[in-house]
Amino acid sequence: GESVGLHLPTLSVQEGDNSIINCAYSNSASDYFIWYKQESGKGPQFIIDIRSNMDKRQGQRVTVLLNKTVKHLSLQIAATQPGDSAVYFCAENSPVMYSGGGADGLTFGKGTHLIIQP
Amino acid sequence: DAGITQSPRHKVTETGTPVTLRCHQTENHRYMYWYRQDPGHGLRLIHYSYGVKDTDKGEVSDGYSVSRSKTEDFLLTLESATSSQTSVYFCAISVDSSTYEQYFGPGTRLTVT
Repeated sequence: GESVGLHLPTLSVQEGDNSIINCAYSNSASDYFIWYKQESGKGPQFIIDIRSNMDKRQGQRVTVLLNKTVKHLSLQIAATQPGDSAVYFCAENSPVMYSGGGADGLTFGKGTHLIIQP
Repeated sequence: DAGITQSPRHKVTETGTPVTLRCHQTENHRYMYWYRQDPGHGLRLIHYSYGVKDTDKGEVSDGYSVSRSKTEDFLLTLESATSSQTSVYFCAISVDSSTYEQYFGPGTRLTVT
């Protein structure tokens, strides 16, 4: 079935370096993508989103890139800090999966664990 | 945290017993969701609600039912808990249907023995 996936389960980076977390999606009908951060014992926390009519969007220290040609999404974190250590999930909307007239559910990837080395 | 609370936060129950998890929000958001999170599967949608008494099934709805009699409360019920339903359950709300942006509660860790 169509799903969102990730290239690497674990990513280890040096403090201060830039981090790049990748995500591949296969649902060509998806037009909205979100990155979430989840710290241990907590619920996912919204980081940044991007619509399919955009290629790039920047936030505070984070940038999301969308390549629709190869169905690839990435999250770049600048100057990685210890507080960035978490599991990062990409998610896509699922307009063809859920009916009901409301906001559609999200389909999540399996997550990448970002580890910060001192 | 978008004013979302979940109760209980932890629960251990036996196979075959009914279990109800509660999600409560304080900001009158229309859309609410229940997800489960398991190692190797990420988060998967169980049920969602788009208004009082309006609910629909998600990806993994078998064995679960939901109810929403008030805007602020969204209940998830396991009629007869099984060990495969051991998981962490997250409630989420959507603040804006046009963006699909969802905010999550702190989660409920359920263990079925």
